[in-house]
Amino acid sequence: GIQVEQSPPDLILQEGANSTLRCNFSDSVNNLQWFHQNPWGQLINLFYIPSGTKQNGRLSATTVATERYSLLYISSSQTTDSGVYFCAVYAGNNRKLIWGLGTSLAVNP
Amino acid sequence: DGGITQSPKYLFRKEGQNVTLSCEQNLNHDAMYWYRQDPGQGLRLIYYSQIVNDFQKGDIAEGYSVSREKKESFPLTVTSAQKNPTAFYLCASSTKYRGGDTQYFGPGTRLTVL
Repeated sequence: GIQVEQSPPDLILQEGANSTLRCNFSDSVNNLQWFHQNPWGQLINLFYIPSGTKQNGRLSATTVATERYSLLYISSSQTTDSGVYFCAVYAGNNRKLIWGLGTSLAVNP
Repeated sequence: DGGITQSPKYLFRKEGQNVTLSCEQNLNHDAMYWYRQDPGQGLRLIYYSQIVNDFQKGDIAEGYSVSREKKESFPLTVTSAQKNPTAFYLCASSTKYRGGDTQYFGPGTRLTVL
């Protein structure tokens, strides 16, 4: 089955720094989503991005489907950006998401 | 407000007891999902349902059971057959729309077996 790998596994930033998180997937996908899980466990969908680029405030994401990767950019990071960022993809038509193991981000003041 | 609710937030269970976790959504989504998350780990799919009265096993269904009698409700029962049930349980829902198919999550239930 499809494999989803995220890097780096852990990241520590000073407030105000920029960062790039990467998601590689092993086969063609028809859906890719980025999620943020805050320290209290709540998961929020950030982007639905099977291809192309989207931006939402300080966050943006780019998926290059032909090369099987997606990037999540965080600019001018804030302490509230801390948590775990997950990438997940659908394979086939069964609407079952395949999840990466996440990137754990800590933003220090 | 539209959203997904899970209850209770914290749940304690004695070994050998069954326990049911509630998940309700008022988003009119057709699909619903249950995930398990262990400390420092990713999400693992337990069960999912794409329509009422139908559901499919996920990757770790053993020791769990579900029902989908109503579109807005998808309760999960953790049975005594689940050998290591202490975990964080997340419910999600989704629907297909012109822009895609996005999953939305409830706040989760933390289950501890004493």
